[in-house]
Amino acid sequence: EILMTQSPATLSVSPGERATLSCRASQSVSSNLAWYQQTPGQAPRLLIYGASSRATGIPARFSGSGSGTEFTLTISSLQSEDFAVYYCQHYDNWPYSFGQGTKLEIK
Amino acid sequence: QLQLQESGPGLVKPSETLSLTCTVSGGSINSDNYYWGWIRQPPGGGLEWIGSFFYSGTTYYNPSLKSRVTISVQTSKNQFSLKLSSVTAADTAVYYCARHSGDFDCWGQGTLVTVSS
Repeated sequence: EILMTQSPATLSVSPGERATLSCRASQSVSSNLAWYQQTPGQAPRLLIYGASSRATGIPARFSGSGSGTEFTLTISSLQSEDFAVYYCQHYDNWPYSFGQGTKLEIK
Repeated sequence: QLQLQESGPGLVKPSETLSLTCTVSGGSINSDNYYWGWIRQPPGGGLEWIGSFFYSGTTYYNPSLKSRVTISVQTSKNQFSLKLSSVTAADTAVYYCARHSGDFDCWGQGTLVTVSS
């Protein structure tokens, strides 16, 4: 089973600034990685698939990069609605697994 | 527009079986492009994949839950179901159903299931 580790657990950033979130896989998952955003009381929303492709309707300020075991989600200029919890997930093989999440909070 | 909706009891007693149904509208679960799965999230916790199925009948389960989980499909109703047996308080969570290829691109709103006597 592949373990997904996200860092940091909590990230404090000011609106308008850039946020960089990290996700590491315990073994290579190629580019079979997705990122999700979850706000309180809501289901997760797909942001990025294939490590770097934005899902339908996702603003261009969200970008993903990486392959193999190291991945990054970058939000270029934080808007108020971006403060949420972010999860990475691999789908390279079964069983799928998620990272433990990074909480992005207002500084 | 694809929509998924979870339904089932919100309270289950310890040692009993949790049963949930996901109703799919705006699309067919008989798709050779997608899997359909269940994910859960304990209060204040992260996401855990439970299991998925493909329309051909193939199922995949999280090894940590495999001995207690069954996912089945009711094609005529465009529904699929989750059964989790011998539940404990640790199974208290919001349960989501979702469509996926690899990534989960469409989710239900989730339903809270509490395990308590």
